[in-house]
Amino acid sequence: GQQVMQIPQYQHVQEGEDFTTYCNSSTTLSNIQWYKQRPGGHPVFLIQLVKSGEVKKQKRLTFQFGEAKKNSSLHITATQTTDVGTYFCAGPQTGANNLFFGTGTRLTVIP
Amino acid sequence: SQTIHQWPATLVQPVGSPLSLECTVEGTSNPNLYWYRQAAGRGLQLLFYSVGIGQISSEVPQNLSASRPQDRQFILSSKKLLLSDSGFYLCAWSRTPNEQYFGPGTRLTVT
Repeated sequence: GQQVMQIPQYQHVQEGEDFTTYCNSSTTLSNIQWYKQRPGGHPVFLIQLVKSGEVKKQKRLTFQFGEAKKNSSLHITATQTTDVGTYFCAGPQTGANNLFFGTGTRLTVIP
Repeated sequence: SQTIHQWPATLVQPVGSPLSLECTVEGTSNPNLYWYRQAAGRGLQLLFYSVGIGQISSEVPQNLSASRPQDRQFILSSKKLLLSDSGFYLCAWSRTPNEQYFGPGTRLTVT
């Protein structure tokens, strides 16, 4: 069945260090989305990538969609304590009206 | 603008008791609606989704059920709660199988 895996599962970084999470799908995706969930909060939509090889930036966050549209990455430059949370990728489930969420990467930033 | 409401925010229920969680969306019509469950420190498990009034798709067989009596109302129910039903229940809406917008969630503890 369709699977979306993320690595690493957990990441601890010193404030100011960079962080990257990787998302890999077992199937080709029409688009990939990224969400952030702060501790105790709900997931919040960050961005959607649609084109093969697409790169988008939001301030210190850089999102990439792989050429084969089966993988994606989120890179944060110079992490801050406000970046703490769990980052999920998600892609449309084949033939259905719902998303398949990745397993998530929990980021801890040490001040 | 669109707003999604969930209540209650927290709930403590004994094993064997019934459950009813409500989700309503404002500011949009005919949204796709979703119920997710998230165990502590874990990912998002899709429970049900609906593309219209009275149309419910179940993703995981269990002792929960969902109903959509009105266009912007989605209800999650159980006749008898189990300990394993504890978790963070999230409702979400979308206009397409693309970005989803989550409600604040209900933290359910079954004792």
